[in-house]
Amino acid sequence: SQTIHQWPATLVQPVGSPLSLECTVEGTSNPNLYWYRQAAGRGLQLLFYSVGIGQISSEVPQNLSASRPQDRQFILSSKKLLLSDSGFYLCAWGGLAGGAGELFFGEGSRLTVL
Amino acid sequence: SQKIEQNSEALNIQEGKTATLTCNYTNYSPAYLQWYRQDPGRGPVFLLLIRENEKEKRKERLKVTFDTTLKQSLFHITASQPADSATYLCALAEDSNYQLIWGAGTKLIIKP
Repeated sequence: SQTIHQWPATLVQPVGSPLSLECTVEGTSNPNLYWYRQAAGRGLQLLFYSVGIGQISSEVPQNLSASRPQDRQFILSSKKLLLSDSGFYLCAWGGLAGGAGELFFGEGSRLTVL
Repeated sequence: SQKIEQNSEALNIQEGKTATLTCNYTNYSPAYLQWYRQDPGRGPVFLLLIRENEKEKRKERLKVTFDTTLKQSLFHITASQPADSATYLCALAEDSNYQLIWGAGTKLIIKP
C-alpha cells in the first residue's frame, strides 16, 4: 500500500534562517506531488506541484522553493524565513492530473517563525 | 475567480441525527468536487469525489450531492457519531488541467 512521510512534524525557526521540509512517498511510481500551506480559518493554499523529477510548478510567488530530486521525494526550502512563513505545511500525492483524483496527505509540518 | 464558501461556524449535531454540510461555489461549475475530513493537527483524508455529470454519490454513511444549478454540494453523514467530529473540507477543480481550489472547511461537532 502507498504511504507518505513528511518531516519534521514541528519546528521553530528564527527569522532569516533556512528551511528544509522533506516528503517521501512509498508504494507508487511517478506520483504527482504537492506542497500546500494551511493558515488558520483558511483553505489550503497550493504552493508547488510536480508531475515528475525536476519538474516544478509554482503557484504562489514567495521566498519558498521546491525540488524533486527523486521520483518519490519532494523538498520544500527557503534560504531566509519570514514571519509570514509560519503555518501548517502539508505534502500530498495524487495519481491523476489536477483535480481528477483524490489526494493523499502527509501528517503535516507545523512551522513557527520567531 | 472561483470562490468556495463553507459555513465558518461550527455545526453542532446530536448523535444519531443526520449532519448536513454545505459547499457553495461562485463561478464556473467544476468538473470534479471532492470532500475531505481533517482532524486537528493532521493532514486531510479523502472521503468522496463527485463529477459534474453525477448528482449523488454514496459511501457507507456518507452521501454527497452536486447541484450545478444551485452551484452547491451537500455532504451528509447519517446516523452521526461523536467520532465523526472533525473539520470537513470541500475542494473543486475546473477540470483535470487545473489544480484543486479549497474551501476553509466547516467544523462538525457531534454531541453524545
